[in-house]
Amino acid sequence: GNSVTQMEGPVTLSEEAFLTINCTYTATGYPSLFWYVQYPGEGLQLLLKATKADDKGSNKGFEATYRKETTSFHLEKGSVQVSDSAVYFCALTYGGGSYIPTFGRGTSLIVHP
Amino acid sequence: DTGVSQDPRHKITKRGQNVTFRCDPISEHNRLYWYRQTLGQGPEFLTYFQNEAQLEKSRLLSDRFSAERPKGSFSTLEIQRTEQGDSAMYLCASSFRADTEAFFGQGTRLTVV
Repeated sequence: GNSVTQMEGPVTLSEEAFLTINCTYTATGYPSLFWYVQYPGEGLQLLLKATKADDKGSNKGFEATYRKETTSFHLEKGSVQVSDSAVYFCALTYGGGSYIPTFGRGTSLIVHP
Repeated sequence: DTGVSQDPRHKITKRGQNVTFRCDPISEHNRLYWYRQTLGQGPEFLTYFQNEAQLEKSRLLSDRFSAERPKGSFSTLEIQRTEQGDSAMYLCASSFRADTEAFFGQGTRLTVV
């Protein structure tokens, strides 16, 4: 079946540091890939997406590139802010037959001033 | 459209009682999903609907759980004879198509005492 693996957290950074959160996936077919963010006390919000190989999703300074050859969709940001502190979830959907969005376990990001 | 809404936001119940949660999806979305999320974990799939048809249920969904989506609009998730292990955040999401992003509600936090 489909699955998503994310790096363990928490990731702790100082403000303005570079962020990478690794995500790899297993899926049949050609899934769409997503990053969601969950701020404390709130629901999951879509951060960015990519629907085919080599697509780059971007939003709010975050970027992720759909790499089919390495089955990866790593999240990056050049300069994090305290307000980026949240839990980030990598997800996929479709996957050639399984129509159910499948999520990783999440990676907590803590940004210190 | 105000997005996906869930009611109630919080529910405290005694072990053995029945509880029912409601989800109102985005109006033009045909697909509706229920997930469960516990602390430090990603959303775990429970069940989903395409319009009014319940198409798949997770093995996580015991016989005490039942979900409906009459007329393909709102959905309800009922848990009978609640157990302490049912304590979690119950998330509802909807999407327009299988390969498009899911939009989440803010969830219903269930505490079984």
